[in-house]
Amino acid sequence: DAGVTQSPTHLIKTRGQQVTLRCSPKSGHDTVSWYQQALGQGPQFIFQYYEEEERQRGNFPDRFSGHQFPNYSSELNVNALLLGDSALYLCASSPAAGLAGGLQYFGPGTRLTVL
Amino acid sequence: AQSVTQPDIHITVSEGASLELRCNYSYGATPYLFWYVQSPGQGLQLLLKYFSGDTLVQGIKGFEAEFKRSQSSFNLRKPSVHWSDAAEYFCAVGGSARQLTFGSGTQLTVLP
Repeated sequence: DAGVTQSPTHLIKTRGQQVTLRCSPKSGHDTVSWYQQALGQGPQFIFQYYEEEERQRGNFPDRFSGHQFPNYSSELNVNALLLGDSALYLCASSPAAGLAGGLQYFGPGTRLTVL
Repeated sequence: AQSVTQPDIHITVSEGASLELRCNYSYGATPYLFWYVQSPGQGLQLLLKYFSGDTLVQGIKGFEAEFKRSQSSFNLRKPSVHWSDAAEYFCAVGGSARQLTFGSGTQLTVLP
């Protein structure tokens, strides 16, 4: 049983560009959350997708957007990249709706560097 | 709003010594609490979780944590640390919203 997978592993972009990160959830999971982890910090919640809709959003600007596909996989898009967007982006998946508490399984992350 | 505080940025212990990592949380209802471990450049691995019931929870790799409601704490412990335990440890709180709020982490160094 594959866990959460993310692609690409590493990415280098320049300021002003746009980037798309991808995530496939663990088998049987239908909810995907995205987190940003800056160097030396704990992960910060960006948003969560369920049934192809954004269900919750953290304190991130509209430059950060996402999508969930019918197979539950998800994309994170960041427009107009800033130097401060350099971070490890983590995807997490959760079991089916009805299980509260936030038990989430994390992928290995995508390291984004903005030059 | 929910929040997590990990007071110790960096802890150093000798191999074979006991370990306790501190975590304090703020949450308006019964919290769901987690400890995750992260090796350099890696994602997060779940060590253990508390949802309800017994306040002492057992996790993987010999770790345990105790939920103390009166102190709003969920400290992580291990009786004997191994060199492979060197990593960063994150405490997190979740709730009905199913989003996690993390602390800033504690970096563990293990001396031979």
